[in-house]
Amino acid sequence: AQSVTQLGSHVSVSEGALVLLRCNYSSSVPPYLFWYVQYPNQGLQLLLKYTSAATLVKGINGFEAEFKKSETSFHLTKPSAHMSDAAEYFCAVNNSSASKIIFGSGTRLSIRP
Amino acid sequence: NAGVTQTPKFQVLKTGQSMTLQCAQDMNHEYMSWYRQDPGMGLRLIHYSVGAGITDQGEVPNGYNVSRSTTEDFPLRLLSAAPSQTSVYFCASKGAASYNEQFFGPGTRLTVL
Repeated sequence: AQSVTQLGSHVSVSEGALVLLRCNYSSSVPPYLFWYVQYPNQGLQLLLKYTSAATLVKGINGFEAEFKKSETSFHLTKPSAHMSDAAEYFCAVNNSSASKIIFGSGTRLSIRP
Repeated sequence: NAGVTQTPKFQVLKTGQSMTLQCAQDMNHEYMSWYRQDPGMGLRLIHYSVGAGITDQGEVPNGYNVSRSTTEDFPLRLLSAAPSQTSVYFCASKGAASYNEQFFGPGTRLTVL
């Protein structure tokens, strides 16, 4: 069965600092992996996705993620945090039949001035 | 394209009342899902559908019914509302391919008194 684990329910960084949000996956088939962002009182929107074309994936708002098969990881990074990055971030993986996407429990990112 | 739309945005019910949360998408997506989001619990899948006339249970289906008579619409019915169903509900849709991401509606915030 497919699953994702997000390490850290809350991450706090200073404005301008590196953002690193961790995600590890488990999949019995080659995975397709996603990162979503949810701003307060809004729905989820796609940040980026891994579809096996390239291991380093660039997304919106300066975020990127690297697929590492040997570590079963898909961590999300951004070199320099901005106050507007404060949100909840979800890692997700497709299930084997592609009929649904399985989400991690989320990481809330706070940015300190 | 309107994407995924949900109505209503807010709803207050009394225990025992029934209601239907509406969801529609105009992207001709085969797959649609309903999630609930509670603090600290991430997104939990209630029901999903892989096409018109086909529905299946997710991880928390009790107390909810769904139907999929058309590709566009996927309503969620609360048969007899309970305070434990107080939550934010998100509808999502995706294409059938494994690499397709889910598109989310804006959510319905439901309070059951």
